Amino acid sequence: DTEVTQTPKHLVMGMTNKKSLKCEQHMGHRAMYWYKQKAKKPPELMFVYSYEKLSINESVPSRFSPECPNSSLLNLHLHALQPEDSALYLCASSQGPILSSLSYEQYFGPGTRLTVT
Amino acid sequence: QKEVEQNSGPLSVPEGAIASLNCTYSDRGSQSFFWYRQYSGKSPELIMFIYSNGDKEDGRFTAQLNKASQYVSLLIRDSQPSDSATYLCAFTGGATNKLIFGTGTLLAVQP
Repeated sequence: DTEVTQTPKHLVMGMTNKKSLKCEQHMGHRAMYWYKQKAKKPPELMFVYSYEKLSINESVPSRFSPECPNSSLLNLHLHALQPEDSALYLCASSQGPILSSLSYEQYFGPGTRLTVT
Repeated sequence: QKEVEQNSGPLSVPEGAIASLNCTYSDRGSQSFFWYRQYSGKSPELIMFIYSNGDKEDGRFTAQLNKASQYVSLLIRDSQPSDSATYLCAFTGGATNKLIFGTGTLLAVQP
């Protein structure tokens, strides 16, 4: 089973709202990722958690705040977003950690379609 | 030079034909290569990964890797209209071993 789940599927929020995106995997994977994808573009990496520790932050604005409560869960807290932050937000997981000499396949969740008004 | 080069397409093939999707990459140290399929409005789905030179077959899909030429391809045999999607090639590279995506090739299989 290579299932990653994400909630909500769709989210509309105002620029002053605070909301959270949630991601869950039960594959025993030790690395989890947040990506942002705009229309007709490839996914862009935002954050990587490896063994529940933040290992990569791709210079993402502080209005995006990731959290990894345990090895199965990943959250992305959103605050004071801008309309240009509207995108598909994807969570992914992989068996092994990034920064490893080995590479592991990443499996994506269905995504959250975010619209900022 | 871009890290990953893919023809954006659209690549149009008739139903039942072989679709050939190609990708070149610049990082000679890359070890792992992936093909994702993405339907419009959906998330990327991993369909093939290949780590060694040569061919790897899985059903109607064959991935081919040539590290000397820095080239990876995906062949889809007996193409079906349901194969119509954007195909993203990706590889892990750089100091952090991040997944680096190409811009994707749009495949259209004509019934």
